[in-house]
Amino acid sequence: KQEVTQIPAALSVPEGENLVLNCSFTDSAIYNLQWFRQDPGKGLTSLLLIQSSQREQTSGRLNASLDKSSGRSTLYIAASQPGDSATYLCAVRPDGSSNTGKLIFGQGTTLQVKP
Amino acid sequence: DAGVIQSPRHEVTEMGQEVTLRCKPISGHDYLFWYRQTMMRGLELLIYFNNNVPIDDSGMPEDRFSAKMPNASFSTLKIQPSEPRDSAVYFCASSFSGRRNYGYTFGSGTRLTVV
Repeated sequence: KQEVTQIPAALSVPEGENLVLNCSFTDSAIYNLQWFRQDPGKGLTSLLLIQSSQREQTSGRLNASLDKSSGRSTLYIAASQPGDSATYLCAVRPDGSSNTGKLIFGQGTTLQVKP
Repeated sequence: DAGVIQSPRHEVTEMGQEVTLRCKPISGHDYLFWYRQTMMRGLELLIYFNNNVPIDDSGMPEDRFSAKMPNASFSTLKIQPSEPRDSAVYFCASSFSGRRNYGYTFGSGTRLTVV
């Protein structure tokens, strides 16, 4: 059974710092991995999608990497800003016989960037 | 595209009443998912559809919950009778199974409060 874990559960950093959020998954047979952002009381916004054949994806100050063999993904945020404060969720879509289309989510990392 | 549209945004109801949540997926998407989010349990997949057909409803907590997708542009999640423990944010998401992109798009959610 695929399980997704995100560590740490919460993170507080001063503005301007570069930071890394971690995501690990137990089964390397994945179709893709997606990072989402959720602001308090809001829905989920997709940030980056990495297909299983890719190593990384970049969007602005965000860079997501994927290492399937080790079951890990990282989300790198450069030059953090107070507006980056939110909960970041990692989700995996299983592949193979488990490729049913559904995503399995981690519990999220709540980030606070202090001015 | 207007994205995934959910209604209502907020719902407050008394215990025992019937509640119906609505979702309009992105046009052309062939997968539709219903998730529930609480502080204690995070994001839980309740049920999902492929081409309007329910594929996996193993996440539906009880027989009080039911979901339908009468056509490609509309789905409902119904709770009857509602209970206080059903209070949560319910999200609808849609996805396209085309090879180049299998990412999810979430709606803004319905915040349900059962008193």
